[in-house]
Amino acid sequence: DVKVTQSSRYLVKRTGEKVFLECVQDMDHENMFWYRQDPGLGLRLIYFSYDVKMKEKGDIPEGYSVSREKKERFSLILESASTNQTSMYLCASSSGQGGSYTFGSGTRLTVV
Amino acid sequence: AQKVTQAQTEISVVEKEDVTLDCVYETRDTTYYLFWYKQPPSGELVFLIRRNSFDEQNEISGRYSWNFQKSTSSFNFTITASQVVDSAVYFCALNQGGKLIFGQGTELSVKP
Repeated sequence: DVKVTQSSRYLVKRTGEKVFLECVQDMDHENMFWYRQDPGLGLRLIYFSYDVKMKEKGDIPEGYSVSREKKERFSLILESASTNQTSMYLCASSSGQGGSYTFGSGTRLTVV
Repeated sequence: AQKVTQAQTEISVVEKEDVTLDCVYETRDTTYYLFWYKQPPSGELVFLIRRNSFDEQNEISGRYSWNFQKSTSSFNFTITASQVVDSAVYFCALNQGGKLIFGQGTELSVKP
């Protein structure tokens, strides 16, 4: 089974801090994604990547950046955390357009 | 534009009742994929089913069944004889061009 591992289950950060959320997948998937989940809004796509060193903006990229230096790792970066970035963050990977997505367990980030 | 709508925010049923979760989608493309995911209280998204746009056959898996109708752009999910363990948030999603677009989710509560 594909495993997608997110480095932290819970994080508490202060406003203005630089925050790194790490995601690693172990099945050689080309595609990786970062979503945030908020009540009543479902999951919204922040950034995605179809290949190493490649990135594309999703629907809500403002305030975020990403890094994909290796195929198995996709990092989400909050350059200067703000309280409105308090949310659940979910990483996913897939093998292609029609392939099913596998999600990590999520990181619940609180910015105080 | 692509869009997925799950009009039912919350549903509450008593164990052994049948329940249907509605999903309506919008897309201009002829080739696309539809998904259902389950998110139990633990938070991890669990893949339930994938259906491509050329396959309108209904699917049954145990107590779960799915009704895909292109004519009404709907992909509804029915749980027969619901159980307490079915309590979760259920998401419908549309995959087009490699991106997974989610509905807002339906929170299902099954009471004993």
